[in-house]
Amino acid sequence: EAQVTQNPRYLITVTGKKLTVTCSQNMNHEYMSWYRQDPGLGLRQIYYSMNVEVTDKGDVPEGYKVSRKEKRNFPLILESPSPNQTSLYFCASRPGPGRYYEQYFGPGTRLTVT
Amino acid sequence: KQEVTQIPAALSVPEGENLVLNCSFTDSAIYNLQWFRQDPGKGLTSLLLIQSSQREQTSGRLNASLDKSSGRSTLYIAASQPGDSATYLCAVVQGGSEKLVFGKGMKLTVNP
Repeated sequence: EAQVTQNPRYLITVTGKKLTVTCSQNMNHEYMSWYRQDPGLGLRQIYYSMNVEVTDKGDVPEGYKVSRKEKRNFPLILESPSPNQTSLYFCASRPGPGRYYEQYFGPGTRLTVT
Repeated sequence: KQEVTQIPAALSVPEGENLVLNCSFTDSAIYNLQWFRQDPGKGLTSLLLIQSSQREQTSGRLNASLDKSSGRSTLYIAASQPGDSATYLCAVVQGGSEKLVFGKGMKLTVNP
């Protein structure tokens, strides 16, 4: 089954404790993205990657890091989480440029930073 | 900077009604416009995508139209059902960009 998986689905952590949210897709997609969703602000792109070792900032990259060492994985790293990073995070992937209709979203990771 | 607006933020209707969901965007130089559905605890599912050169797309009971010059799109849901209850999001891709810009969504409740 074609899918994007995220782990963990729920996470409660404390300020400053480094964490990684994993994202993996099984469709050999080139493009992967991370979004955060906040009430009243909607979905905003954090980072995206167009292929292995190719990443770029989205609209709200501050406080986040990403890496793309393998095509299937695109982890989101919070080196020193803060309460304003409490949010619902989504990973997405699609085959390549322009192929938006074939975009898949993961189920989301709800992060709470206290 | 592109801004996407969906009004109202929530809508509650009885089953069987035909619905129109609205989406507006400020910059008409878009590559495409997409409508998504979001269910609680799940990710987004793409419903319809309209390329900038198209006027509308249809899938089953759903019909989406695009008026690029006026910066508007509508999603028409025919004969609504309780299973249509979800949050619906509109998103655009700016020409020359690879980024999706989302509206804040509209929460739809269809009551039996």
